[in-house]
Amino acid sequence: SQELEQSPQSLIVQEGKNLTINCTSSKTLYGLYWYKQKYGEGLIFLMMLQKGGEEKSHEKITAKLDEKKQQSSLHITASQPSHAGIYLCGADDNAGNMLTFGGGTRLMVKP
Amino acid sequence: GAGVSQSPRYKVAKRGQDVALRCDPISGHVSLFWYQQALGQGPEFLTYFQNEAQLDKSGLPSDRFFAERPEGSVSTLKIQRTQQEDSAVYLCASSDPPGYGYTFGSGTRLTVV
Repeated sequence: SQELEQSPQSLIVQEGKNLTINCTSSKTLYGLYWYKQKYGEGLIFLMMLQKGGEEKSHEKITAKLDEKKQQSSLHITASQPSHAGIYLCGADDNAGNMLTFGGGTRLMVKP
Repeated sequence: GAGVSQSPRYKVAKRGQDVALRCDPISGHVSLFWYQQALGQGPEFLTYFQNEAQLDKSGLPSDRFFAERPEGSVSTLKIQRTQQEDSAVYLCASSDPPGYGYTFGSGTRLTVV
């Protein structure tokens, strides 16, 4: 079965600083999803990556999938308190049947 | 509906009690998924439906867990004789076509005391 490892597990940054979260897979990634979760709430879809080398951006968040499709990174530029939460990467099983998630990265942004 | 709706949002159950958690997916979505998220961890897959057919239930932790989707829309996750280790957030997601993006509900936080 596919396993996803996220690093770091938790992160505290000063407002305005840049940060990067990594997601490494034990197998080739066919579809890689990034979600954000506020405490006690559901998952909010951020981006989906499928092609090796693909990069997508939304506002100040950029996600990349490496050429070998086994690692993805999420980069936040000029972080704000509103970016605080848990970031989860999820991998598709290539049949659209289910997502396997990493353990999450807990981000706190200090004003 | 506009999104995936789950109810109740919070449930406190006494150990040994049966509970039923409801998921109302986005109208017309073929695929429906249930996940369990323990505190401080990522969601873990429980089961998957395509229309009314339960295609994968490999993630259900024990025979106390049962899920159904009789008419291919609303789904219910039932947990019998709840135990403390069942305490978690239960998330529901739907997608259509299968694999083309997953929309999650807000979850049901179950606390077993």
